[in-house]
Amino acid sequence: DAGITQSPRHKVTETGTPVTLRCHQTENHRYMYWYRQDPGHGLRLIHYSYGVKDTDKGEVSDGYSVSRSKTEDFLLTLESATSSQTSVYFCAISGQGRDTGELFFGEGSRLTVL
Amino acid sequence: AQKITQTQPGMFVQEKEAVTLDCTYDTSDPSYGLFWYKQPSSGEMIFLIYQGSYDQQNATEGRYSLNFQKARKSANLVISASQLGDSAMYFCAMRERFFGNEKLTFGTGTRLTIIP
Repeated sequence: DAGITQSPRHKVTETGTPVTLRCHQTENHRYMYWYRQDPGHGLRLIHYSYGVKDTDKGEVSDGYSVSRSKTEDFLLTLESATSSQTSVYFCAISGQGRDTGELFFGEGSRLTVL
Repeated sequence: AQKITQTQPGMFVQEKEAVTLDCTYDTSDPSYGLFWYKQPSSGEMIFLIYQGSYDQQNATEGRYSLNFQKARKSANLVISASQLGDSAMYFCAMRERFFGNEKLTFGTGTRLTIIP
């Protein structure tokens, strides 16, 4: 199994507060991704990174920012959380050296914004 | 336009029967990949099977096979001899590469329920 951990796994916060989710990998993979999962929408890409300090937006990036200062860590920040950002957030990494490019997922972080 | 379309929100199938989960896709990338993932009620995402756009044969992994019809842009998952443990959400996904970067886009999923 790919070494990928997310923290926190569960968080309840109030509207307007900042929130940071952390994704940590021990696999030295180049690509890291943040997805959110909502009923009826599947998994939607928020941001992704293709190297240290190299990031790009996904399809639902508004209200989110990311940073990757080290290969192993990819942070997702909600500067001012809103109720629409209540979701389950998944971090994923891409299998380096694997031609398929399959993703390995973290266990998910459930965020509730009241 | 949706890049990945799964038209079956839910399916009920009798145990031991075969089941086909539909997936159609849209891309202009000549070198793409198609994936299926399973998400049981516990929430983890489990990789099932992969098909490359240049692969000549349909991918198979145990009871899973991918019915790849390139001209129709479809990549249906076939599960043979379904089991109770197959009850889960199933997501189709497509990998595209842009200027050396790559990302996966997921469909909205199909919830499969196996009936004893």
